[in-house]
Amino acid sequence: DVKVTQSSRYLVKRTGEKVFLECVQDMDHENMFWYRQDPGLGLRLIYFSYDVKMKEKGDIPEGYSVSREKKERFSLILESASTNQTSMYLCASSRLQGEGTGELFFGEGSRLTVL
Amino acid sequence: GESVGLHLPTLSVQEGDNSIINCAYSNSASDYFIWYKQESGKGPQFIIDIRSNMDKRQGQRVTVLLNKTVKHLSLQIAATQPGDSAVYFCAENIWGGADGLTFGKGTHLIIQP
Repeated sequence: DVKVTQSSRYLVKRTGEKVFLECVQDMDHENMFWYRQDPGLGLRLIYFSYDVKMKEKGDIPEGYSVSREKKERFSLILESASTNQTSMYLCASSRLQGEGTGELFFGEGSRLTVL
Repeated sequence: GESVGLHLPTLSVQEGDNSIINCAYSNSASDYFIWYKQESGKGPQFIIDIRSNMDKRQGQRVTVLLNKTVKHLSLQIAATQPGDSAVYFCAENIWGGADGLTFGKGTHLIIQP
């Protein structure tokens, strides 16, 4: 079974803390994505990556950064967490453009609460 | 604004009835569409997809219909079961596109006993 694994299912952090959300995929996919999901807003793309060391801004990158040091791992970083970053964070991966359908494979999500 | 959307936030159906979930998209360049199902506390899971060279595609108890003329997509679930209770998202992309899917806001399907 293909798998995208997010390291933390639930996190509670305080305002101003630095937060790391880790994601690992075992499908040898080139592309990886971070979305956040909020009620009434659906899934919104934060950042994505085509390859190791590469990153691209999505629709809502402000307040976030990412790191992709290895192909299988994509990290989302909140440098200074704020209450409006309380959300469900979803990691996904897909094959390289032209080599797959574009279907995204998702992890189970990380629910972050910032107090 | 977003290019993919859903007509209803919540749909309630009787167990055993057929469900139809609708989706509208505005990007004429999109040629690949996916329906995802998200159960409570889980990530979205692939249900069925369709390319724009097709009007209809069937899976197990699910059918996706695509009307390119009016940019409309629907998901039909036959003989709805309690396990079908979830949020359903449509998503669009360019075939083989790798910059991520654009998602609608989702429809919460509620199954009445």
